[in-house]
Amino acid sequence: DAKTTQPPSMDCAEGRAANLPCNHSTISGNEYVYWYRQIHSQGPQYIIHGLKNNETNEMASLIITEDRKSSTLILPHATLRDTAVYYCIGGYGGSQGNLIFGKGTKLSVKP
Amino acid sequence: DSGVTQTPKHLITATGQRVTLRCSPRSGDLSVYWYQQSLDQGLQFLIQYYNGEERAKGNILERFSAQQFPDLHSELNLSSLELGDSALYFCASSVGTSGRGDQETQYFGPGTRLLVL
Repeated sequence: DAKTTQPPSMDCAEGRAANLPCNHSTISGNEYVYWYRQIHSQGPQYIIHGLKNNETNEMASLIITEDRKSSTLILPHATLRDTAVYYCIGGYGGSQGNLIFGKGTKLSVKP
Repeated sequence: DSGVTQTPKHLITATGQRVTLRCSPRSGDLSVYWYQQSLDQGLQFLIQYYNGEERAKGNILERFSAQQFPDLHSELNLSSLELGDSALYFCASSVGTSGRGDQETQYFGPGTRLLVL
């Protein structure tokens, strides 16, 4: 089973910041938090990942709480092309390396 | 573009048939993963190969098999196809330096859409 909990859907106005929450209270101390997104039926696209510290790249920012029980993915200026299902994934299922996808959050960016 | 390629993009076949899906990982990546995405099950991990050897198995049916070749491309073979096998099949790759795939970013291909009639 997925180790993360996300809201099933969210809306965001174009140009505004999209803040996507994720609860991962059961991940272990050495498991990373990964974010992927899937636009329509395309292959999942890697966004960002982190362990303890906040991270930022050209796509997004990841804010992880100090207790590592939750995190927030921030898309600073959402565009219509950011409409997608966003998956928060905790760890890699141990030594197996596979990703355990939950149902994700369907983000709809509206004009 | 993730650098992972998959062929074919679409495949339509009949029940009972056998098909082969192909994946070429990103240049330099040693690990290849296969995932299945159906409407009712979401994205499910099937199998992982690392440098030619099977590394991990997920919810892969016995009718399905995979292999990774010396040039690191991988093939997923689906046999005795059933209607329920209709799905998107994704391949992903990672560097695989540890062999275990721990905390390694996986990059996904565009997928193969399989329709079994």
